[in-house]
Amino acid sequence: KNEVEQSPQNLTAQEGEFITINCSYSVGISALHWLQQHPGGGIVSLFMLSSGKKKHGRLIATINIQEKHSSLHITASHPRDSAVYICAVFQGAQKLVFGQGTRLTINP
Amino acid sequence: KAGVTQTPRYLIKTRGQQVTLSCSPISGHRSVSWYQQTPGQGLQFLFEYFSETQRNKGNFPGRFSGRQFSNSRSEMNVSTLELGDSALYLCASSLLPGEVTEAFFGQGTRLTVV
Repeated sequence: KNEVEQSPQNLTAQEGEFITINCSYSVGISALHWLQQHPGGGIVSLFMLSSGKKKHGRLIATINIQEKHSSLHITASHPRDSAVYICAVFQGAQKLVFGQGTRLTINP
Repeated sequence: KAGVTQTPRYLIKTRGQQVTLSCSPISGHRSVSWYQQTPGQGLQFLFEYFSETQRNKGNFPGRFSGRQFSNSRSEMNVSTLELGDSALYLCASSLLPGEVTEAFFGQGTRLTVV
């Protein structure tokens, strides 16, 4: 069993829909990353959070440390949001453990 | 402010050769981490450098090595390349090591071993 599990693995939705991607982890952590990877490979850090909730534009990330669970929400989704979204947790000293990623496709 | 720069972007090597990849962190960042991404294994941590010292290492064979220079630029080297080393290699820089600082990723170097 992976230490970081994401669901769903693939998600296709229509433009404008509300999107939720989930991340569960089995190890004790102090912080969690949500990353976005577009075709071509480059990774962009969306959020780093250790408690509560963060919002940036149409993106919202929440984390529940007690339940070892985090969610990434996208409101009013747009085709340009199509990407792979990756959850990663810190296991101390900059060692990141990654989920397998969620491939999101938003159709116009 | 320039982002994290990785060179080269693409590379094709043959089995048995060695390869060196370069990562220039964001100006002022002193911590550099390296990751390997393959379709089968996803993203995996290779190693992390801070102030020219390796602070942490993932579960990779000794053929994978790295170093960091005084200007914080980092290189990773893979010797005796195997087909399974074909992957996207990503580096990330942060101001300091540890989980409290945000990491910024480069575009990656896509290595193909034939």
